[in-house]
Amino acid sequence: ETGVTQSPTHLIKTRGQQVTLRCSSQSGHNTVSWYQQALGQGPQFIFQYYREEENGRGNFPPRFSGLQFPNYSSELNVNALELDDSALYLCASSFENPNIPEQFFGPGTRLTVL
Amino acid sequence: AQSVTQLDSHVSVSEGTPVLLRCNYSSSYSPSLFWYVQHPNKGLQLLLKYTSAATLVKGINGFEAEFKKSETSFHLTKPSAHMSDAAEYFCVVRTLVGYSTLTFGKGTMLLVSP
Repeated sequence: ETGVTQSPTHLIKTRGQQVTLRCSSQSGHNTVSWYQQALGQGPQFIFQYYREEENGRGNFPPRFSGLQFPNYSSELNVNALELDDSALYLCASSFENPNIPEQFFGPGTRLTVL
Repeated sequence: AQSVTQLDSHVSVSEGTPVLLRCNYSSSYSPSLFWYVQHPNKGLQLLLKYTSAATLVKGINGFEAEFKKSETSFHLTKPSAHMSDAAEYFCVVRTLVGYSTLTFGKGTMLLVSP
């Protein structure tokens, strides 16, 4: 059973650019969630995808968008990058099962916006 | 709404002494609670979870936590700290709002001195 993987590991962009981050879910998981972790803070929920549709979103603007593919891999897209978007972006996969509430995290992508 | 409060931003212990990381929760229903650990420049690893079964939960690497409903607490303990335990620890509550997501505390940095 493979774990959650993310790419790239690090990324540097300039303000106003667009970025795409990628995630491969753990085998058998059908739900993926994305979190933003600013320096010195706990992760904040961005959104969640289940069966290729967004089924929940945190307090993030529409320029944060995502996709989930039939193989349950996922992308996070951020348009019009701002300096405050600099953070560690974490992908987490899970089962859509109330009896298995935990999520399994990838190593993250460190995004720096200059 | 569900939330967690980690009472200490930093905890310092000596190797071989006990560890106590404190967490209080707020939940309008019976919560699912977790502790995750994050080593420097790494993703999040699940240490243990509480899902309304036994109130004393054992996790990996000798950690355990006790769910106390009367005190709304879920403190993390370990009898004897090891240098490798130095990391940031997050207390987390599952939030159900039509979908399941995780709400993180702000984290406690555990420092272990020789």
